[in-house]
Amino acid sequence: GAGVSQSPSNKVTEKGKDVELRCDPISGHTALYWYRQSLGQGLEFLIYFQGNSAPDKSGLPSDRFSAERTGGSVSTLTIQRTQQEDSAVYLCASSFPQSEAFFGQGTRLTVV
Amino acid sequence: AQSVTQLGSHVSVSEGALVLLRCNYSSSVPPYLFWYVQYPNQGLQLLLKYTTGATLVKGINGFEAEFKKSETSFHLTKPSAHMSDAAEYFCAVSANTGFQKLVFGTGTRLLVSP
Repeated sequence: GAGVSQSPSNKVTEKGKDVELRCDPISGHTALYWYRQSLGQGLEFLIYFQGNSAPDKSGLPSDRFSAERTGGSVSTLTIQRTQQEDSAVYLCASSFPQSEAFFGQGTRLTVV
Repeated sequence: AQSVTQLGSHVSVSEGALVLLRCNYSSSVPPYLFWYVQYPNQGLQLLLKYTTGATLVKGINGFEAEFKKSETSFHLTKPSAHMSDAAEYFCAVSANTGFQKLVFGTGTRLLVSP
């Protein structure tokens, strides 16, 4: 596709349920990032994939969060046993190395 | 390791006034620097970037930024603010060696009054 695509655009889930958020990066981009943007907060780094290297998971807030990137392309961010504090906009971005990141429109997650 | 500090979570200017948004970075290797803008309920859009070469970088919508190594700064400016510039602005840094992630500042919200 022409840009980074994220789905769903909005997700409402009940506390305790698991959710999966999907990111389709720009074709050919080797780097993929997940960020979280909460109300009143900046861009909180979650995880970074670069090619076939081991991902940088240093930003994941708890072991309820995980992400994978299959075939060096599509990525899925999974949140298990969601909590209300997980409510946020989850942003995905992709890039070539050391180049500008292109962002998707985000997935707005609401945990009720 | 890289980090970014954006001074001022909110900046208010009048329409037509100079816009100055401050960004200071820390990097153990020569940096690549970026400014992104986020309009309400939208994703992030790249305004401009510095990689190598000319230290004064011009971007979209009349914005520019100057890389000053001695001051470890990359401040964003625009000579004359428009109402449409009201948005949140993020400075970001990455290393120019190897494969390094982007690190963002906490953002500055620009308010433009008539």
